[in-house]
Order: sequence, then C-alpha cells, then structure tokens
Amino acid sequence: GENVEQHPSTLSVQEGDSAVIKCTYSDSASNYFPWYKQELGKGPQLIIDIRSNVGEKKDQRIAVTLNKTAKHFSLHITETQPEDSAVYFCAAPSGGSYIPTFGRGTSLIVHP
Amino acid sequence: DTEVTQTPKHLVMGMTNKKSLKCEQHMGHRAMYWYKQKAKKPPELMFVYSYEKLSINESVPSRFSPECPNSSLLNLHLHALQPEDSALYLCASSQDEGGSGYTFGSGTRLTVV
Repeated sequence: GENVEQHPSTLSVQEGDSAVIKCTYSDSASNYFPWYKQELGKGPQLIIDIRSNVGEKKDQRIAVTLNKTAKHFSLHITETQPEDSAVYFCAAPSGGSYIPTFGRGTSLIVHP
Repeated sequence: DTEVTQTPKHLVMGMTNKKSLKCEQHMGHRAMYWYKQKAKKPPELMFVYSYEKLSINESVPSRFSPECPNSSLLNLHLHALQPEDSALYLCASSQDEGGSGYTFGSGTRLTVV
C-alpha cells in the first residue's frame, strides 16, 4: 500500500509568517494529492488539491507544489492568520485503489 | 446542499447496547465512506460504499455493521462495542470512488462505557 510521510508534526509561526508542510509518498502511480484542514471538533475539510499533470496550484493564500520525480508535495500558506490554526493532513492514493492514505497530520499554531 | 450531515453529534453507550450512526448527503455523490479517528491521529478507513454496494471492508470487527439504504444515506450499526472503540466516527462522500476529494461530516463522538 501507499506510505505517506508528513513533516513537521507541529509548526508554530507568528501571524503574517509563511508556513510550509511537506509530504512524501511511495507509489509512483499516485496521481491525485489533496490537502485537508481539520479544526477542533470538526471533520476534515478539503482546502486544495493537485493532480499529477500539474506542478503547482494556488488559491489565494494557499498553494500546493508537486515534485513527481522526488515524490513529494507541499502545502504553502502565506500571510498566516490565527484562524489558520488547525491540523492539516495530506493524502495520496495508491494507483490501484484510488483510496487515499493520510499523512499523520501537522498541527499548525499561528500566534497573534 | 454541499454538506455531509451526521447524527448524533455525541453518543455514550454501554458495552451491551445497540446503537446506530447516521450519515446523509444530497450532493449526488456515489461513493460514501466510514472512517474512525482517534485523538491526534489521521482518519482510518473502515468501509467504502460505491453505488450503494460495499466495495471495501478494511477488516473491521463484525460488531460494526454498515448499511447503505439508498444513494443519500449511510448507517453504521454498533453492537457489543469495547471501550477501545471510543473515537470520532467520520462519514465522507465523493463523486465516485476514484481520484476526487472527499466531503467529510463533522463526525459522531462515541464513548463506550
């Protein structure tokens, strides 16, 4: 099955700084890479995703980059705000089943 | 409607009880999922329904019994649970089983006493 490693497990930044979370995957056939944000007491929410035919995708303050050769993808959040504080999960499906394997999560804390 | 609705939000049950968790979506999604999430851990897949048929059972104990009455509803029947089954149970849906993002509900916080 797919093996997804996510780093760091905790990230603490000051408001206005940038935050970067990185995931690596093992299955070279993986072709879809979503990122989820989970706030306390809520379910994960899809915030951005990227497919393997694209190297970068942006949505306002959020961007995702994909390096298929190195088998890693990263979430970039610019101008962080306290409401960005949450746990972020990456995911990557194995080519055979399309069911995603989640990374272990990154707890992002944005200090005002 | 772009939501997945789960009920109840909280549930406390004894080890001899029978209870059910409910999940509903009206986005026309044809794949629905049950996940279990322990504190500070990622969601762990339990079951996948595709076009109302069970397509994946991740070796889940038989004390958890899923049911998909129609394309909008997904139930999880619980019987003779153990305290270690206490967790957040998440329902999710997607357009189909392959290659698209999931919409998650807010979950049912289950405590087994």
